Amino acid sequence: EAGVAQSPRYKIIEKRQSVAFWCNPISGHATLYWYQQILGQGPKLLIQFQNNGVVDDSQLPKDRFSAERLKGVDSTLKIQPAKLEDSAVYLCASSQVGNSNQPQHFGDGTRLSIL
Amino acid sequence: AQTVTQSQPEMSVQEAETVTLSCTYDTSESDYYLFWYKQPPSRQMILVIRQEAYKQQNATENRFSVNFQKAAKSFSLKISDSQLGDAAMYFCAYTASGTYKYIFGTGTRLKVLA
Repeated sequence: EAGVAQSPRYKIIEKRQSVAFWCNPISGHATLYWYQQILGQGPKLLIQFQNNGVVDDSQLPKDRFSAERLKGVDSTLKIQPAKLEDSAVYLCASSQVGNSNQPQHFGDGTRLSIL
Repeated sequence: AQTVTQSQPEMSVQEAETVTLSCTYDTSESDYYLFWYKQPPSRQMILVIRQEAYKQQNATENRFSVNFQKAAKSFSLKISDSQLGDAAMYFCAYTASGTYKYIFGTGTRLKVLA
């Protein structure tokens, strides 16, 4: 099966600019996650969707970050305006709905550098 | 609040030897799941092994096994017959049953020496 697809792989922008990341989960996976992974740290959940509804966005900085999953498949994560501390790898993951023991499958991530 | 702690920032092992990576967690839940993920330099997180808290038997997957001590809230990963391809960051993760939300540790970088 095809894995979780993410693009772009790398992005360099200046602070105060905007940026968007795209994720296509594994076919049939209803649950989709966006994580922020700062260098030297473990991934931190930003937002979790189930189909096109938000399950958890408690750690999403909503003043600058937004995410959507309009048709319950692809998702985009946007940052506007970007700050220096947003430099990180942004990981997308998906899983089957229904059981917590279903593992999350991760994409390759997008490395964002803010100048 | 649930937390996951990996106290070893970096570990080294000789090829073909055995290494154990440590993970402790804190939770008041009784039903939860634990995972070990591997993240090579290519960045894609890959599931190594998982453990259901209600199962007493330790999970094994080929050369990978865990030592799950529920009372001590400890979940260590043992890698036997280490191979060069095992070199990566290893993350321990916890999720409470029904939440689908992972909490990750800070990771352990494993180096495999030829």
